[in-house]
Amino acid sequence: AQSVAQPEDQVNVAEGNPLTVKCTYSVSGNPYLFWYVQYPNRGLQFLLKYITGDNLVKGSYGFEAEFNKSQTSFHLKKPSALVSDSALYFCAVRDGATDSWGKLQFGAGTQVVVTP
Amino acid sequence: KAGVTQTPRYLIKTRGQQVTLSCSPISGHRSVSWYQQTPGQGLQFLFEYFSETQRNKGNFPGRFSGRQFSNSRSEMNVSTLELGDSALYLCASSVGQGVGYTFGSGTRLTVV
Repeated sequence: AQSVAQPEDQVNVAEGNPLTVKCTYSVSGNPYLFWYVQYPNRGLQFLLKYITGDNLVKGSYGFEAEFNKSQTSFHLKKPSALVSDSALYFCAVRDGATDSWGKLQFGAGTQVVVTP
Repeated sequence: KAGVTQTPRYLIKTRGQQVTLSCSPISGHRSVSWYQQTPGQGLQFLFEYFSETQRNKGNFPGRFSGRQFSNSRSEMNVSTLELGDSALYLCASSVGQGVGYTFGSGTRLTVV
């Protein structure tokens, strides 16, 4: 069975400093990995994904993530955080089996707080 | 390009009632997945429909059901509502091959 762990409930960072949100996963076969962000009372907005290819993935709003197969991690990063990045971030995974195409397993979420 | 539309945005129901939520996917997308989001359990997969067929199902009781129409619009139904069904229900639309999912804004269901 697939699973995702986001070890930090909350990450606090000052504006302008680097932001990292951690994610580790467990999946059978090749992982398909995603990051989403959620603002209050809103749905999930797609940030980036790793399907195959380069381990460093660049996404929306200046975010990037590094896929590390040996450590089964997919940490989200932003070089310089903005106050507007304050939100709830979710890591998600699905395995490569065709019968799980529509099913994502989400982590518990990490609340990011960026202070001015 | 229109996004994923979920209706209604907010809903208040009484215990024991039933409710139907609607999701209109992005044009051309044939897969619709549904998720329940609660503070205690986080985001949990309910089910996925592809070309009018349920392709995947999560671990929810039979009170939760869904269907998909020929135009790919999907509905989910919850019968005999319980207080614990209060949640944000999200649907996600995709072309169907699991490489990208676009979420709607959700329906906030409150059961009183």
